[in-house]
Amino acid sequence: QLQLQESGPGLVKPSETLSLTCAVSGASITNNYYYWGCVRQAPGQGLEWIGNIYYTGTTYYNPSLKSRLTMSLDTSKSQFSLKLSSVTAADTAIYYCARTRDNSGVDFDYWGQGTLVTVSS
Amino acid sequence: QSALTQPPSASGSPGQSVTISCTGTSSDVGAYKYVSWYQHHPGKVPKVMIYEVNKRPSGVPDRFSGSKSGNTASLTISGLQAEDEADYYCSSYGGTSNFVIFGGGTKLTVL
Repeated sequence: QLQLQESGPGLVKPSETLSLTCAVSGASITNNYYYWGCVRQAPGQGLEWIGNIYYTGTTYYNPSLKSRLTMSLDTSKSQFSLKLSSVTAADTAIYYCARTRDNSGVDFDYWGQGTLVTVSS
Repeated sequence: QSALTQPPSASGSPGQSVTISCTGTSSDVGAYKYVSWYQHHPGKVPKVMIYEVNKRPSGVPDRFSGSKSGNTASLTISGLQAEDEADYYCSSYGGTSNFVIFGGGTKLTVL
Protein backbone atom coordinates (compact mmCIF):
# COMPACT_ATOMS: atom_id res chain seq x y z
CA GLN A 1 0.00 0.00 0.00
CA LEU A 2 1.43 3.34 -1.05
CA GLN A 3 2.20 5.73 1.76
CA LEU A 4 3.48 9.29 1.64
CA GLN A 5 4.91 10.98 4.71
CA GLU A 6 5.69 14.65 4.88
CA SER A 7 8.38 16.02 7.11
CA GLY A 8 8.81 19.72 7.54
CA PRO A 9 10.16 22.33 9.93
CA GLY A 10 6.89 23.27 11.61
CA LEU A 11 8.02 26.86 12.00
CA VAL A 12 9.95 29.00 9.51
CA LYS A 13 11.01 32.63 9.91
CA PRO A 14 9.96 35.20 7.32
CA SER A 15 12.41 35.58 4.42
CA GLU A 16 13.90 32.14 5.09
CA THR A 17 13.54 28.97 3.00
CA LEU A 18 10.89 26.35 3.70
CA SER A 19 12.13 22.80 3.10
CA LEU A 20 9.70 19.91 2.93
CA THR A 21 10.51 16.25 2.31
CA CYS A 22 8.04 13.62 1.17
CA ALA A 23 9.02 10.02 1.87
CA VAL A 24 7.44 7.42 -0.40
CA SER A 25 6.90 3.81 0.66
CA GLY A 26 5.00 0.97 -0.93
CA ALA A 27 5.71 2.10 -4.49
CA SER A 28 8.64 2.98 -6.68
CA ILE A 29 9.34 6.68 -6.99
CA THR A 30 10.89 5.94 -10.40
CA ASN A 31 7.72 4.45 -11.84
CA ASN A 32 7.11 6.25 -15.13
CA TYR A 33 3.31 6.06 -14.77
CA TYR A 34 2.98 8.72 -12.09
CA TYR A 35 3.89 12.24 -11.08
CA TRP A 36 4.65 13.27 -7.52
CA GLY A 37 3.25 16.55 -6.34
CA CYS A 38 2.66 19.01 -3.56
CA VAL A 39 -0.53 20.83 -2.64
CA ARG A 40 -1.12 23.28 0.20
CA GLN A 41 -4.05 24.73 2.09
CA ALA A 42 -3.68 27.98 3.95
CA PRO A 43 -5.86 28.45 7.06
CA GLY A 44 -9.46 29.04 6.02
CA GLN A 45 -8.53 28.88 2.35
CA GLY A 46 -8.86 26.39 -0.48
CA LEU A 47 -6.43 23.95 -2.01
CA GLU A 48 -3.53 25.35 -3.99
CA TRP A 49 -1.37 23.27 -6.30
CA ILE A 50 2.34 23.91 -5.70
CA GLY A 51 4.09 21.72 -8.24
CA ASN A 52 4.68 18.29 -9.77
CA ILE A 53 7.82 16.33 -10.45
CA TYR A 54 8.22 13.36 -12.79
CA TYR A 55 10.60 10.46 -12.26
CA THR A 56 12.94 12.00 -14.85
CA GLY A 57 13.26 15.09 -12.67
CA THR A 58 11.09 17.19 -14.97
CA THR A 59 9.17 19.74 -12.94
CA TYR A 60 5.99 21.75 -13.36
CA TYR A 61 5.41 24.65 -11.01
CA ASN A 62 2.53 26.91 -10.08
CA PRO A 63 3.32 30.11 -12.00
CA SER A 64 2.67 32.19 -8.90
CA LEU A 65 5.34 30.29 -6.94
CA LYS A 66 7.78 29.47 -9.72
CA SER A 67 10.34 32.14 -8.91
CA ARG A 68 10.71 30.85 -5.34
CA LEU A 69 10.21 27.12 -5.80
CA THR A 70 12.52 24.18 -6.40
CA MET A 71 11.41 20.54 -6.40
CA SER A 72 13.74 17.58 -6.61
CA LEU A 73 13.85 13.79 -6.42
CA ASP A 74 16.17 11.60 -4.38
CA THR A 75 15.65 8.14 -5.81
CA SER A 76 18.19 6.54 -3.47
CA LYS A 77 16.07 7.58 -0.49
CA SER A 78 12.72 7.17 -2.27
CA GLN A 79 11.73 10.72 -1.51
CA PHE A 80 11.05 14.02 -3.17
CA SER A 81 11.32 17.47 -1.73
CA LEU A 82 10.44 21.08 -2.20
CA LYS A 83 12.20 24.26 -1.24
CA LEU A 84 10.28 27.52 -1.13
CA SER A 85 12.44 30.57 -0.62
CA SER A 86 11.72 34.03 0.80
CA VAL A 87 8.65 32.87 2.67
CA THR A 88 6.08 35.21 4.16
CA ALA A 89 3.07 34.72 6.41
CA ALA A 90 1.08 33.99 3.26
CA ASP A 91 3.00 30.72 2.94
CA THR A 92 1.60 29.45 6.24
CA ALA A 93 -0.37 26.35 5.31
CA ILE A 94 -0.85 22.62 5.60
CA TYR A 95 1.46 21.14 2.99
CA TYR A 96 0.48 17.84 1.40
CA CYS A 97 2.53 15.43 -0.66
CA ALA A 98 0.60 13.43 -3.21
CA ARG A 99 0.84 11.07 -6.15
CA THR A 100 -1.07 11.49 -9.37
CA ARG A 101 -3.51 8.86 -10.52
CA ASP A 102 -1.69 8.35 -13.80
CA ASN A 103 0.81 9.96 -16.13
CA SER A 104 -1.53 12.73 -17.14
CA GLY A 105 -0.25 14.27 -13.93
CA VAL A 106 -3.38 16.25 -13.23
CA ASP A 107 -5.23 14.58 -10.38
CA PHE A 108 -4.05 13.04 -7.16
CA ASP A 109 -5.25 9.73 -5.75
CA TYR A 110 -2.82 9.21 -2.86
CA TRP A 111 -2.07 11.89 -0.31
CA GLY A 112 0.10 12.20 2.75
CA GLN A 113 -1.53 13.31 5.97
CA GLY A 114 -0.16 16.81 5.56
CA THR A 115 2.13 18.88 7.73
CA LEU A 116 1.45 22.35 9.09
CA VAL A 117 4.13 24.91 8.34
CA THR A 118 3.84 28.25 10.07
CA VAL A 119 5.80 31.29 8.93
CA SER A 120 6.42 33.56 11.87
CA SER A 121 9.24 35.34 13.60
CA GLN B 1 -2.77 31.66 -12.24
CA SER B 2 -6.46 32.37 -11.55
CA ALA B 3 -8.45 29.85 -9.57
CA LEU B 4 -11.46 28.24 -11.14
CA THR B 5 -14.73 29.78 -9.95
CA GLN B 6 -16.99 27.78 -7.65
CA PRO B 7 -19.93 28.92 -5.53
CA PRO B 8 -18.77 29.26 -1.92
CA SER B 9 -21.65 27.22 -0.59
CA ALA B 10 -24.35 24.76 -1.56
CA SER B 11 -26.94 22.84 0.38
CA GLY B 12 -29.57 20.18 0.10
CA SER B 13 -31.70 17.89 2.19
CA PRO B 14 -31.06 14.17 2.54
CA GLY B 15 -32.22 12.32 -0.55
CA GLN B 16 -32.15 15.40 -2.75
CA SER B 17 -29.72 16.21 -5.52
CA VAL B 18 -27.28 19.09 -5.59
CA THR B 19 -25.08 20.39 -8.40
CA ILE B 20 -21.88 22.36 -7.91
CA SER B 21 -20.47 24.35 -10.79
CA CYS B 22 -16.86 25.09 -11.68
CA THR B 23 -16.19 27.80 -14.24
CA GLY B 24 -12.89 28.23 -15.97
CA THR B 25 -11.79 29.49 -19.35
CA SER B 26 -11.18 28.24 -22.85
CA SER B 27 -7.57 27.68 -21.79
CA ASP B 28 -8.32 25.20 -19.02
CA VAL B 29 -11.77 23.68 -18.36
CA GLY B 30 -12.97 24.37 -21.88
CA ALA B 31 -9.84 23.07 -23.56
CA TYR B 32 -9.19 19.70 -21.94
CA LYS B 33 -10.91 16.58 -20.66
CA TYR B 34 -8.92 16.79 -17.43
CA VAL B 35 -11.40 18.09 -14.87
CA SER B 36 -11.40 16.46 -11.45
CA TRP B 37 -13.47 16.82 -8.31
CA TYR B 38 -12.25 16.30 -4.75
CA GLN B 39 -14.16 15.79 -1.52
CA HIS B 40 -12.42 17.19 1.56
CA HIS B 41 -13.68 16.60 5.05
CA PRO B 42 -12.04 18.97 7.57
CA GLY B 43 -9.05 17.36 9.21
CA LYS B 44 -8.88 14.61 6.61
CA VAL B 45 -7.13 14.13 3.31
CA PRO B 46 -8.76 15.22 0.02
CA LYS B 47 -10.29 12.38 -1.95
CA VAL B 48 -10.72 12.37 -5.72
CA MET B 49 -14.35 11.65 -6.56
CA ILE B 50 -14.37 12.35 -10.30
CA TYR B 51 -11.56 12.50 -12.86
CA GLU B 52 -11.49 13.24 -16.58
CA VAL B 53 -14.79 15.13 -16.31
CA ASN B 54 -17.07 12.17 -15.61
CA LYS B 55 -15.12 9.10 -14.53
CA ARG B 56 -15.41 7.67 -11.02
CA PRO B 57 -12.51 5.97 -9.26
CA SER B 58 -13.19 2.55 -7.86
CA GLY B 59 -15.14 2.78 -4.63
CA VAL B 60 -16.82 6.12 -5.29
CA PRO B 61 -20.62 5.74 -5.21
CA ASP B 62 -22.47 6.27 -8.47
CA ARG B 63 -24.43 9.00 -6.71
CA PHE B 64 -21.53 11.20 -7.74
CA SER B 65 -21.41 12.26 -11.37
CA GLY B 66 -19.59 14.85 -13.42
CA SER B 67 -20.20 16.72 -16.63
CA LYS B 68 -18.87 19.62 -18.63
CA SER B 69 -20.30 22.17 -21.03
CA GLY B 70 -18.01 24.70 -22.58
CA ASN B 71 -15.91 26.34 -19.88
CA THR B 72 -18.06 25.09 -17.00
CA ALA B 73 -17.84 21.72 -15.31
CA SER B 74 -20.37 20.40 -12.83
CA LEU B 75 -20.49 17.87 -10.03
CA THR B 76 -23.87 16.39 -9.21
CA ILE B 77 -24.53 14.45 -6.05
CA SER B 78 -27.82 12.61 -6.03
CA GLY B 79 -29.50 11.00 -3.06
CA LEU B 80 -27.66 13.27 -0.64
CA GLN B 81 -26.44 11.66 2.55
CA ALA B 82 -25.21 13.22 5.76
CA GLU B 83 -21.67 12.02 5.10
CA ASP B 84 -21.58 14.00 1.86
CA GLU B 85 -21.27 17.18 3.91
CA ALA B 86 -17.77 18.40 3.06
CA ASP B 87 -15.82 20.88 1.00
CA TYR B 88 -15.66 20.12 -2.71
CA TYR B 89 -12.94 21.33 -5.03
CA CYS B 90 -12.71 21.13 -8.78
CA SER B 91 -9.42 21.13 -10.61
CA SER B 92 -8.42 21.36 -14.23
CA TYR B 93 -5.36 20.95 -16.37
CA GLY B 94 -4.31 24.29 -17.77
CA GLY B 95 -1.47 23.39 -20.10
CA THR B 96 2.19 22.81 -19.37
CA SER B 97 2.68 26.28 -17.92
CA ASN B 98 -0.34 25.97 -15.64
CA PHE B 99 -0.47 22.28 -14.95
CA VAL B 100 -3.07 22.04 -12.19
CA ILE B 101 -5.59 24.74 -11.28
CA PHE B 102 -7.93 24.33 -8.33
CA GLY B 103 -11.26 25.97 -7.78
CA GLY B 104 -11.87 28.02 -4.66
CA GLY B 105 -13.97 25.29 -3.10
CA THR B 106 -17.65 24.84 -2.25
CA LYS B 107 -18.86 24.03 1.23
CA LEU B 108 -21.72 21.56 0.95
CA THR B 109 -24.19 21.46 3.81
CA VAL B 110 -26.65 18.61 4.16
CA LEU B 111 -29.64 20.13 5.90
